[in-house]
Order: sequence, then C-alpha cells, then structure tokens
Amino acid sequence: KAGVTQTPRYLIKTRGQQVTLSCSPISGHRSVSWYQQTPGQGLQFLFEYFSETQRNKGNFPGRFSGRQFSNSRSEMNVSTLELGDSALYLCASSFTGGEYPGELFFGEGSRLTVL
Amino acid sequence: DAKTTQPNSMESNEEEPVHLPCNHSTISGTDYIHWYRQLPSQGPEYVIHGLTSNVNNRMASLAIAEDRKSSTLILHRATLRDAAVYYCILRITGFQKLVFGTGTRLLVSP
Repeated sequence: KAGVTQTPRYLIKTRGQQVTLSCSPISGHRSVSWYQQTPGQGLQFLFEYFSETQRNKGNFPGRFSGRQFSNSRSEMNVSTLELGDSALYLCASSFTGGEYPGELFFGEGSRLTVL
Repeated sequence: DAKTTQPNSMESNEEEPVHLPCNHSTISGTDYIHWYRQLPSQGPEYVIHGLTSNVNNRMASLAIAEDRKSSTLILHRATLRDAAVYYCILRITGFQKLVFGTGTRLLVSP
C-alpha cells in the first residue's frame, strides 16, 4: 500500500513569494495534518483537516493556510515568505478522525529554503 | 498542552535492551501516551501508544507507571537501525494533534 506522498520534495523560494505544498494521504485516510520542523523549534503542529474541514490549528500566523479536497488530498500554502519559514514541512495522514487516537503516518516532507 | 520531559540523548550497544524514560506529570485522564521516532532524513514513524496498561507490539514495549506520571519505552534488542530521535507525546482523545517535545536521541554502537 502506498504511503503518504508529498510534493515537491525540495524547493527554493525568495522572500515575499508564496509557496504551495501538496500531500496525498494513504488511500482511505480522511485526516491530514501538517507539521513544520526547524532546528530551533523542532516539530510544530500547523493544522489538521478531516473531511475537507479544518478541525485544529496550531499557533502560526495567517500566512499559513491549508485546504483539503474531496479525495482527501491536501495542500498548504505559505504567502509572503520570510527567511524563518525555511523548514521541513511534514504531512501526516490517519484513518480515523474520531475518538480513537490512531497512529499517524508521515510523509518524507517537503524541504523549503527561503533566500 | 500537557508537556513531556525526556533526556536529550542516550547510548546503547547493539543487541542490548534500551529503556527510554519519559516524565509527564501533568497528564490528564484522557491523554494517551504515544511514542514516535524519527530516523535521519525521514518523517516521524509511529512506535507504540497506551493509556493505562502496559503495551507490547512488534517494535517495542511501553511500560506505564501506575499513577501515569511517567512511562518507559523498551526496545528489547537494539539494532543500528534503531538509532533515531524518540519522541514521547501526550495526545488528547479525539484530537489528531501531536505536541512534540525535543525527544531523546538514541545512539547505538556496534
């Protein structure tokens, strides 16, 4: 069974630009979460989507946004990029969105460099 | 968000058992204890989780203290492939959000 797929794997942008990252969850998984990983802050939760609805949101500015499509694929967008947005962006999918806290399956991430 | 405390790093020899401790004194009754690990250049990988009772799976065992204020991840025979950062995480029932701490970097020597 295919794992979580994130595209692109690597990208370089300049300050002020915007970027869109894509995540295809494991087939049948309806919950998709996004995390940012930096050497200074570690792994931080961005947001989570379930059935096209954002259910949880982390403590990030409004420049960070996301959406989920009817096929559960998700995208996240970062506008007006800053140097500090350079990070590994990880997507995770989960089968259950209900009470039972099932395991999350992570992709390999999209590494964004902002120059 | 409830917080976990882990040692920054631990070392082990190959084929020896490894006990990775985690303190979570502010845990609430609905928090599950999850462990994930992150190998170099990869996304985090689920290891095990539990609520109150000790748990075993093919990867590891999780021992949970009776008062639930601490837990220990046990790798029965460490291999070189187990070298990773191990994260102990508290997860609220019904929420898909994971709050990662700094984790424990496990070094395994041949």
